[in-house]
Amino acid sequence: GAGVSQSPRYKVAKRGQDVALRCDPISGHVSLFWYQQALGQGPEFLTYFQNEAQLDKSGLPSDRFFAERPEGSVSTLKIQRTQQEDSAVYLCASSAPRGEQYFGPGTRLTVT
Amino acid sequence: AQSVTQLDSQVPVFEEAPVELRCNYSSSVSVYLFWYVQYPNQGLQLLLKYLSGSTLVKGINGFEAEFNKSQTSFHLRKPSVHISDTAEYFCAVIPSGGYQKVTFGIGTKLQVIP
Repeated sequence: GAGVSQSPRYKVAKRGQDVALRCDPISGHVSLFWYQQALGQGPEFLTYFQNEAQLDKSGLPSDRFFAERPEGSVSTLKIQRTQQEDSAVYLCASSAPRGEQYFGPGTRLTVT
Repeated sequence: AQSVTQLDSQVPVFEEAPVELRCNYSSSVSVYLFWYVQYPNQGLQLLLKYLSGSTLVKGINGFEAEFNKSQTSFHLRKPSVHISDTAEYFCAVIPSGGYQKVTFGIGTKLQVIP
């Protein structure tokens, strides 16, 4: 594809609901990153994949957050039992090994 | 660990005037430095990057930045801004070794006034 795509672009969830956010990286990019951008803040690292392996999940804020990339391409970020503090824009980025990261447009999650 | 400080949360500037957005960083290891721009409801777009070599780096849309190792700074400049430059700008670093987990500053909102 032409770039990193994310879906949905906007998601409204009631507190306690589970959500799944999808990221389609640039074809052939082995590295994939998830970031969380709270309102008025810079993006903060959540987790990193190299192909299907999740090599770093140190940024995941709680065990309600889970990410996967089973075939080394598309990735899903799942948030269980959403809370209001989970409201943020979730950004996905992909890169070639040691290359520039290309960011998707993000998914804006609002928890009511 | 790395950290990035962007001291100015908002910078208003008149159209065609020059602008400087400040960025300072802290790191115990050598780093690569980046500036990204984010337009409303869009993802991040890379403006420019410093990896090595010349400390003055030129990027897209007429922006440039200068790496100053002694002052641990990487300020972004443009000699004449346009209305279309209104956006949020993020300074970021990654360690020069290892994989590229990016550490971002909190961002500076550039407001260009007609």
